[in-house]
Amino acid sequence: GEDVEQSLFLSVREGDSSVINCTYTDSSSTYLYWYKQEPGAGLQLLTYIFSNMDMKQDQRLTVLLNKKDKHLSLRIADTQTGDSAIYFCAERKRDSKIIFGSGTRLSIRP
Amino acid sequence: GAGVSQSPSNKVTEKGKDVELRCDPISGHTALYWYRQSLGQGLEFLIYFQGNSAPDKSGLPSDRFSAERTGGSVSTLTIQRTQQEDSAVYLCASSSGRGEKLFFGSGTQLSVL
Repeated sequence: GEDVEQSLFLSVREGDSSVINCTYTDSSSTYLYWYKQEPGAGLQLLTYIFSNMDMKQDQRLTVLLNKKDKHLSLRIADTQTGDSAIYFCAERKRDSKIIFGSGTRLSIRP
Repeated sequence: GAGVSQSPSNKVTEKGKDVELRCDPISGHTALYWYRQSLGQGLEFLIYFQGNSAPDKSGLPSDRFSAERTGGSVSTLTIQRTQQEDSAVYLCASSSGRGEKLFFGSGTQLSVL
């Protein structure tokens, strides 16, 4: 099917690392994305990775891509209260259609 | 403009009426996407335009939904005979020809009473 799958909720303690996982559908997808949506706000592109890469690091964010298993993860180091949001995984298919997952709601415990 | 612009930001309509939602993509962006986000849900793909190619309409939920893109720029999403289940935030996004970054508008909140 066309479903990009993510777990719905993740709760982490402030200062710990958060790892959000995603399984996508198309082994020929060219780009994989992570978007962030804060309450009442639009979608903000956090980071993306080209399909010929295994890893991408950008400050506190680390993206890992396992093409064999069609698995994408986003690690947020030193999670802060400002990281509370919904995180969406998305894939850009060969035909350029971009499909999103249902989002993972990240909440931060003090 | 500097970003993707959508109008109106809010639309309240009565069941059975037609509505038109507008999207102004970033200047020069050749790709334009429409998505729908129902309350507490993920993004549902609706339709995708790329340049002068025929649009990918595979996500439109019924024949009450249609979209146009005039002159390769502004797009209008039309919902005919609206139903209560059409209530959602309709999001538009655009990208350049290479398409590795998708930029979203703020969305139109549609409420069908």
